Amino acid sequence: GAGVSQTPSNKVTEKGKYVELRCDPISGHTALYWYRQSLGQGPEFLIYFQGTGAADDSGLPNDRFFAVRPEGSVSTLKIQRTERGDSAVYLCASSLGTGNTIYFGEGSWLTVV
Amino acid sequence: AQSVTQLGSHVSVSEGALVLLRCNYSSSVPPYLFWYVQYPNQGLQLLLKYTTGATLVKGINGFEAEFKKSETSFHLTKPSAHMSDAAEYFCAVSGPRNFNKFYFGSGTKLNVKP
Repeated sequence: GAGVSQTPSNKVTEKGKYVELRCDPISGHTALYWYRQSLGQGPEFLIYFQGTGAADDSGLPNDRFFAVRPEGSVSTLKIQRTERGDSAVYLCASSLGTGNTIYFGEGSWLTVV
Repeated sequence: AQSVTQLGSHVSVSEGALVLLRCNYSSSVPPYLFWYVQYPNQGLQLLLKYTTGATLVKGINGFEAEFKKSETSFHLTKPSAHMSDAAEYFCAVSGPRNFNKFYFGSGTKLNVKP
């Protein structure tokens, strides 16, 4: 597709369950980002990939959060033992590389009940 | 770490009036600066960005912003508001050490009255 694609668009899960959120970046974009946007807040940086490797994962809140990008294209954000405080919109973005404009997907809205 | 302050979580203007959305950042070294717009149930869309060069930056939909180093500001303006401008606007910075890490403000919701 032309833009960044994220699935699912909405996910409701029970506290303690495992969740995966998928991001398909714009074709040819080597850089991929995950952000989290809580209600009433701006997006907060989670992790950045350059190619297959996580170049900066300093924004991941704790070890329940993990992200992979095994082939340098699609990325999956994984959340273990979900908590109600994890409820937020998870945004994926991609860019051609360092310093270039980043393009956001529409997000995956996660609700933990 | 960088911080971005957007003054006013809600701004209301009349159609045809000037739009002014304020953004201040914390870095002493000029970073890259961005404004994004978010319409309901949509992703963030880039309005404009400043990296280097001319400090007055023009973006889409008639918006512009001016980088003022002395004031560490990057306020967004539009001379005449349109109903379709109603949305949430986010200011963001990246750099100067790491241009891949964006710091966003908490957003300003713009309401346009007929």
